Amino acid sequence: DTGVSQDPRHKITKRGQNVTFRCDPISEHNRLYWYRQTLGQGPEFLTYFQNEAQLEKSRLLSDRFSAERPKGSFSTLEIQRTEQGDSAMYLCASSPGTGTGPQHFGDGTRLSIL
Amino acid sequence: GESVGLHLPTLSVQEGDNSIINCAYSNSASDYFIWYKQESGKGPQFIIDIRSNMDKRQGQRVTVLLNKTVKHLSLQIAATQPGDSAVYFCAENKDNFNKFYFGSGTKLNVKP
Repeated sequence: DTGVSQDPRHKITKRGQNVTFRCDPISEHNRLYWYRQTLGQGPEFLTYFQNEAQLEKSRLLSDRFSAERPKGSFSTLEIQRTEQGDSAMYLCASSPGTGTGPQHFGDGTRLSIL
Repeated sequence: GESVGLHLPTLSVQEGDNSIINCAYSNSASDYFIWYKQESGKGPQFIIDIRSNMDKRQGQRVTVLLNKTVKHLSLQIAATQPGDSAVYFCAENKDNFNKFYFGSGTKLNVKP
């Protein structure tokens, strides 16, 4: 399978714990995006990487959130001191490095905060 | 799996009929649009795209229409099948970083 891969698919944790999600983009894609999706809503942009550089962050990404893409390949999204409101589906997408075109999404990580 | 489509506008059609899903976008400067299909428990799947220099684009069983005057986008699905049942999102791009803004979605139910 050469699509976008996300791990884990589901994460259940207690409020206040830290969690980390991983995304492996399509191998030749330079751009990588994180989105958050709550029930009944469309995905909301969180942040964007061009290779290893994080070029844009949404105001939705509070200081408890951090994303990295150290070698320009896989990316991690960490949430510290999780809160009830962090419960959502976290989606990763990737696209080629030039021009405007469709983003290809993974199947997401479903985070549930107890 | 969980349902993505709770509290969404719902369109119910009979198998074999044509479906039309509508979307109003927000920014007149948006120049690229995509329709995504999302099934329960899965990520959005690309269906078809259109750039602002076009009014219509056709794919296999799907057609996207763009009306820039009223900032309206529609997705037409011909001969709707049970496998088309999903939530459909339109997404608009209005900058050079390929960042998309998604609408709230429409749930399509196809009745056999």
